[in-house]
Amino acid sequence: KAGVTQTPRYLIKTRGQQVTLSCSPISGHRSVSWYQQTPGQGLQFLFEYFSETQRNKGNFPGRFSGRQFSNSRSEMNVSTLELGDSALYLCASSSPGAWKDTQYFGPGTRLTVL
Amino acid sequence: AQSVTQPDIHITVSEGASLELRCNYSYGATPYLFWYVQSPGQGLQLLLKYFSGDTLVQGIKGFEAEFKRSQSSFNLRKPSVHWSDAAEYFCAVSTSSNTGKLIFGQGTTLQVKP
Repeated sequence: KAGVTQTPRYLIKTRGQQVTLSCSPISGHRSVSWYQQTPGQGLQFLFEYFSETQRNKGNFPGRFSGRQFSNSRSEMNVSTLELGDSALYLCASSSPGAWKDTQYFGPGTRLTVL
Repeated sequence: AQSVTQPDIHITVSEGASLELRCNYSYGATPYLFWYVQSPGQGLQLLLKYFSGDTLVQGIKGFEAEFKRSQSSFNLRKPSVHWSDAAEYFCAVSTSSNTGKLIFGQGTTLQVKP
């Protein structure tokens, strides 16, 4: 079974731009969560989607948004990029949305904001 | 608010020596506890998890962890460390029965001396 895939793996943007990151969960998984990882703040939860609905949201500004499609693929968008948005963005999927199920993480997208 | 503390930011052990990584959590009820490992440039891999029952849980790669409610701890152990265990280790807690949201500790970087 293929693992969680994230595209692109690396991204360089400038301040003020917007960016869209993509996550394809493991086949059959319906829950997708997003995390931001930085050296200073560590791993922080962004949001979780289940069956195209946002189920939980972390403490991030409205510039961070996401969505999930009917095939469970998810995207997150960051608008008006700031230098502090430079981070590794990790996506995790689990099946079929139950918290007891293991979350499988993708390799992440490394975003650099210049 | 729930929190996870990993007191040791960096640990160095000799190959073949035993290892214990500490994790303390703050939560009133029984949490659901996880240990993940992250190698450079990689996503997170689940080592083991605790939901209920036996307080000593076995994981992959020869790791185990013990849940101690009285100490609010979930320490990770391995009897004999291999050079390939060098990585960053994260303890995490999930506190809701209906979410994939994980709260992570700051991580412990393990260095293995030959």
